[in-house]
Amino acid sequence: NAGVMQNPRHLVRRRGQEARLRCSPMKGHSHVYWYRQLPEEGLKFMVYLQKENIIDESGMPKERFSAEFPKEGPSILRIQQVVRGDSAAYFCASSPETGTYSGNTIYFGEGSWLTVV
Amino acid sequence: KQEVTQIPAALSVPEGENLVLNCSFTDSAIYNLQWFRQDPGKGLTSLLLIQSSQREQTSGRLNASLDKSSGRSTLYIAASQPGDSATYLCAVPMDSSYKLIFGSGTRLLVRP
Repeated sequence: NAGVMQNPRHLVRRRGQEARLRCSPMKGHSHVYWYRQLPEEGLKFMVYLQKENIIDESGMPKERFSAEFPKEGPSILRIQQVVRGDSAAYFCASSPETGTYSGNTIYFGEGSWLTVV
Repeated sequence: KQEVTQIPAALSVPEGENLVLNCSFTDSAIYNLQWFRQDPGKGLTSLLLIQSSQREQTSGRLNASLDKSSGRSTLYIAASQPGDSATYLCAVPMDSSYKLIFGSGTRLLVRP
């Protein structure tokens, strides 16, 4: 019963390159969330997706960032033309149908650490 | 706008001590509150989830309390061990939802 799987765990990109982070939710979970953790800060919500739908992207930067959760395959967080300020840990989480509100806990992956050089 | 604050930012204690970590939130209309543990370079592990109707939750040596009216939660760790060394995060959901608002965490070091 695998947990939330993220890859790559560590990624180094040069400024201007693209970064793609992947997340496979826990089995049976159809809700995926992405959070970003900047150095010495708490996690900040970025985007909430269900299969083939972006439900809430209010935490996503307006430019260069995009996310998808296709019918088949993992959710992908894509960062185009990375800059040094994008260096952070990106965490994916998943939940069952009813999410946090009903009291089901959200399960987090181990994160993808992006370093932009 | 909900804000979550955790103090202290860092804590170093000798093994065996009982300790309390604090979490405060500005909007008392929360649905629940979660405490997480984060090990260096690792993801988050949910420790305790307290519903808004509950006053406390216990799991082993951990006890979390919630006082909505004062906007506070505490995580009590009894008989601390070096293996408890980690960052502890509290989080509340935004509105009725799935979007968690996190505090910036308390980094705990338990010295042998």
